[in-house]
Amino acid sequence: EVQLVESGGGLVKPGGSLRLSCAASGFTFSNAWMSWVRQAPGKGLEWVGRIKSKTDGGTTDYAAPVKGRFTISRDDSKNTLYLQMNSLKTEDTAVYYCTKLLNWYFDLWGRGTLVTVSS
Amino acid sequence: EIVLTQSPATLSLSPGERATLSCRASQSVSSYLAWYQQKPGQAPRLLIYDASNRATGIPARFSGSGSGTDFTLTISSLEPEDFAVYYCQQRSNWHFGQGTRLEIK
Repeated sequence: EVQLVESGGGLVKPGGSLRLSCAASGFTFSNAWMSWVRQAPGKGLEWVGRIKSKTDGGTTDYAAPVKGRFTISRDDSKNTLYLQMNSLKTEDTAVYYCTKLLNWYFDLWGRGTLVTVSS
Repeated sequence: EIVLTQSPATLSLSPGERATLSCRASQSVSSYLAWYQQKPGQAPRLLIYDASNRATGIPARFSGSGSGTDFTLTISSLEPEDFAVYYCQQRSNWHFGQGTRLEIK
């Protein structure tokens, strides 16, 4: 089955760190560009960042609100995508979705994992 | 930075009616625009890409049109399961519009 399954969400204090994981299956993960998209409670969708496949350079790109604080990485041997989140702020509270990119569109989504930043 | 503006914010219609949702870009995005559907408690789902191409498994009642700065998602005859929030997205910087909520009248 083609799917993405996120894990690692939870409650963290402002200034803290958290690492999200996304396990991919049913497609050739190593060839895929991957991305994270988040959604604050009751709000719209916000792109967080993306990572290219290693064959395309493996480079990353981030949205302005998270640049310098969040890092996306991948382990193709484990078919897993990561999102390392540091210096978390209350405004980072959201459901974080792992997504696969196809021609720059998000064609596969996980169910999401909730990150709550609160003291 | 290209900004996408969706209208209306909320659309109230009845099953069987035709729905027309709009997405306007602050500058031309050519045909590089997608539409997503999100139901409560679920992840979004890709409906339309490159303005007018239906994604795999998407019913034919969903259609997209437009190019440049003005785009439309049309649902020809609303089914009960179509009531949801719809987002447009352009691929130059992956940003989304703010969404249109399609609700039952």
